[in-house]
Amino acid sequence: GAVVSQHPSRVICKSGTSVKIECRSLDFQATTMFWYRQFPKKSLMLMATSNEGSKATYEQGVEKDKFLINHASLTLSTLTVTSAHPEDSSFYICSPTNANEKLFFGSGTQLSVL
Amino acid sequence: AQTVTQSQPEMSVQEAETVTLSCTYDTSESDYYLFWYKQPPSRQMILVIRQEAYKQQNATENRFSVNFQKAAKSFSLKISDSQLGDAAMYFCAYRAREYGNKLVFGAGTILRVKS
Repeated sequence: GAVVSQHPSRVICKSGTSVKIECRSLDFQATTMFWYRQFPKKSLMLMATSNEGSKATYEQGVEKDKFLINHASLTLSTLTVTSAHPEDSSFYICSPTNANEKLFFGSGTQLSVL
Repeated sequence: AQTVTQSQPEMSVQEAETVTLSCTYDTSESDYYLFWYKQPPSRQMILVIRQEAYKQQNATENRFSVNFQKAAKSFSLKISDSQLGDAAMYFCAYRAREYGNKLVFGAGTILRVKS
């Protein structure tokens, strides 16, 4: 099966710092990338959608200047949480799709902001 | 807007017994896909089963089967011969090309399996 690598799996940072989360598709080209966040015992909420080489499309209520998404290549997308605050603490999951529109999931990143 | 509703926050089942998880959805599209995903404590999302809306036959994957009622917009998951490893959060999800191919998730159902 397709392999998706998401790093780091867990990160703790101080309030005000920025954190970058990487999502790599190891054996396929990710034409589209979805980024989700998930609070404890809650559902996955879509944050943004990005296509390789294009600007990301953000869902309503998601601050594009706080959550920077880069999808510069077909195998790598990054989510940067800028000036993180405790309310940004959450579980972030990437979800790439291949050219056949088949969808996969990364293993997630638990962000804790102190 | 497309919405997915899971009305059971938690369900319990005895090991080896059968349990059904409910899901309803709302859409004006005719071409779409429905999914059940499992999220164990590791939080890795695992695809359990998928159903194409144009197919009348209910999808089946080993002990997992669905009851897809397109007119009623209902998509329930039946787990037969429940095992301890089935304990997880289960999400029903909807996806349509006309809606950007993104997954819309229900709120989830926590399934507990008793030994």
